[in-house]
Amino acid sequence: EPEVTQTPSHQVTQMGQEVILRCVPISNHLYFYWYRQILGQKVEFLVSFYNNEISEKSEIFDDQFSVERPDGSNFTLKIRSTKLEDSAMYFCASARTSGRLNTGELFFGEGSRLTVL
Amino acid sequence: GQNIDQPTEMTATEGAIVQINCTYQTSGFNGLFWYQQHAGEAPTFLSYNVLDGLEEKGRFSSFLSRSKGYSYLLLKELQMKDSASYLCAVRGNYGQNFVFGPGTRLSVLP
Repeated sequence: EPEVTQTPSHQVTQMGQEVILRCVPISNHLYFYWYRQILGQKVEFLVSFYNNEISEKSEIFDDQFSVERPDGSNFTLKIRSTKLEDSAMYFCASARTSGRLNTGELFFGEGSRLTVL
Repeated sequence: GQNIDQPTEMTATEGAIVQINCTYQTSGFNGLFWYQQHAGEAPTFLSYNVLDGLEEKGRFSSFLSRSKGYSYLLLKELQMKDSASYLCAVRGNYGQNFVFGPGTRLSVLP
């Protein structure tokens, strides 16, 4: 069964360092997302991406964050200068386009746990 | 604004039935989704409603009333492995943001 894959599974970094989290969405999906979940809290939307551009972003997704789809398969989230409060699990998700037989549900990757020291 | 409410925690007994409620107020609506999340894992899709009524899928059913901004997830014949958080999520416009509720942590006791 196709799945969303994320790397790394866990990254520890120093405050102020740049971090890149990588995702390979399901190959025939067209909508891509990044969510984060701080330990014990709810899943929070960061950004959605469609047709090679950001379609929506939240207040969390400030100038320190950026996303790219550098090739036909990868989808990356970059945090330029990490802060302590960026420590969270970051989930990549993808969804197919609309269709009568398709609900368009999100398929999540296993997540990348980021720890900022 | 976007607001989704769920009870924080629920407890039920193995073999029983439990209903997890979700109320929402969102700026757009194009479907309500239920996800299951075990501790330390990714959310996995359970069910989807876009029209009013009940959708049944094995031991899981989900109900939607759009006029009331209300949904519930019904879990029957509870098993220990059903102990998890259950997340209600609303999709505003197709392909756009899914807003998640805070999740309901369900504990199934023997």
